[in-house]
Amino acid sequence: SQQGEEDPQALSIQEGENATMNCSYKTSINNLQWYRQNSGRGLVHLILIRSNEREKHSGRLRVTLDTSKKSSSLLITASRAADTASYFCATDAAMNRDDKIIFGKGTRLHILP
Amino acid sequence: DAGITQSPRHKVTETGTPVTLRCHQTENHRYMYWYRQDPGHGLRLIHYSYGVKDTDKGEVSDGYSVSRSKTEDFLLTLESATSSQTSVYFCATMSYYEQYFGPGTRLTVT
Repeated sequence: SQQGEEDPQALSIQEGENATMNCSYKTSINNLQWYRQNSGRGLVHLILIRSNEREKHSGRLRVTLDTSKKSSSLLITASRAADTASYFCATDAAMNRDDKIIFGKGTRLHILP
Repeated sequence: DAGITQSPRHKVTETGTPVTLRCHQTENHRYMYWYRQDPGHGLRLIHYSYGVKDTDKGEVSDGYSVSRSKTEDFLLTLESATSSQTSVYFCATMSYYEQYFGPGTRLTVT
């Protein structure tokens, strides 16, 4: 069963605007990650946030984590055409000892010129 | 793609035939994973391996088997392909919780 659920399923914004995607999950986690997938390609790791962290930055990316609400958000600032892709959150359940990473269904982001 | 290759990249096969997909890594990562990606379902874990000859099932393992005889190779076998196994298959390795994905194999079962 899906652990993470992204919201919205699809998002279209103008180039230069900020894009925000959300992820909700069901069980306690050790880490939450965000990945990007360009059309026809494999996923690429963007950022990892640990359960004891609340916010993390990487370039134009900002990730927040609220473990009390079991949710995370990914903010992409000053969007570019190259940011057009699908974005997935992935979690590893804290109760697991088997190193399984479970992905959500993704948010499709389209940057309009 | 961080030293991860998949073969073949595209395959069309008939229902009932066996199919083996290969994942090869040069990173010496201990953990390897097979996922399938379908519209509306995201990525779903089929099987994974936490070492040579150590494998376990994921959430959609029925109809699939895996083998890992060497650190660098992880094979996914469809014993008797069905149309429901038409999908894009991704292999991944993991190091320090970060996953590295191969380019994918597009499999069509007719």
